[in-house]
Amino acid sequence: AQKITQTQPGMFVQEKEAVTLDCTYDTSDPSYGLFWYKQPSSGEMIFLIYQGSYDQQNATEGRYSLNFQKARKSANLVISASQLGDSAMYFCAMSPHTGNQFYFGTGTSLTVIP
Amino acid sequence: DAGVIQSPRHEVTEMGQEVTLRCKPISGHDYLFWYRQTMMRGLELLIYFNNNVPIDDSGMPEDRFSAKMPNASFSTLKIQPSEPRDSAVYFCASSFGRPGYTFGSGTRLTVV
Repeated sequence: AQKITQTQPGMFVQEKEAVTLDCTYDTSDPSYGLFWYKQPSSGEMIFLIYQGSYDQQNATEGRYSLNFQKARKSANLVISASQLGDSAMYFCAMSPHTGNQFYFGTGTSLTVIP
Repeated sequence: DAGVIQSPRHEVTEMGQEVTLRCKPISGHDYLFWYRQTMMRGLELLIYFNNNVPIDDSGMPEDRFSAKMPNASFSTLKIQPSEPRDSAVYFCASSFGRPGYTFGSGTRLTVV
């Protein structure tokens, strides 16, 4: 069975500071992808970053980076230089490469404080 | 690229009425997914299609729910009859290869 765990229901960060959102996963599939999505208050789901299970380097996309620790089955999202517009819900997701289904965590609400 | 287009954005209906949600995936994408999001259950996969064929509908909650994809550019999710517990945000997403889905903006359904 696939499972995604996000243990932080809510996080606060000062503007311009970095913040780490935690995500752990459980899967028996040898090959899988890990994803982070942002959901602002307007409701849309915005794809942020992807990490393949066999990728040697941690993924980065602008201010977003994914701290991938395969042995620990963790895929934490790091947002550097937080901005007010980063305030949103953030969802971690996993998809085994054997299928196309995504499994989502329960999300972390991030609030950036000016 | 217009993205995944869902309609309507908001729907308010009375219990017992039929509701139809619509989705236009990104052209060329061969997978289409319907998700439901609630506070209690988070994001749940209802059904997904590959090349217009339903692959996995195990997430469809009841026989009241049905989904079709008559062609590569259109899909519907129908609830008949609707109940208050169906109130949620329904997302459509499409994909082609990796990484990631592209989600539509969602339909917020309220059944009163």
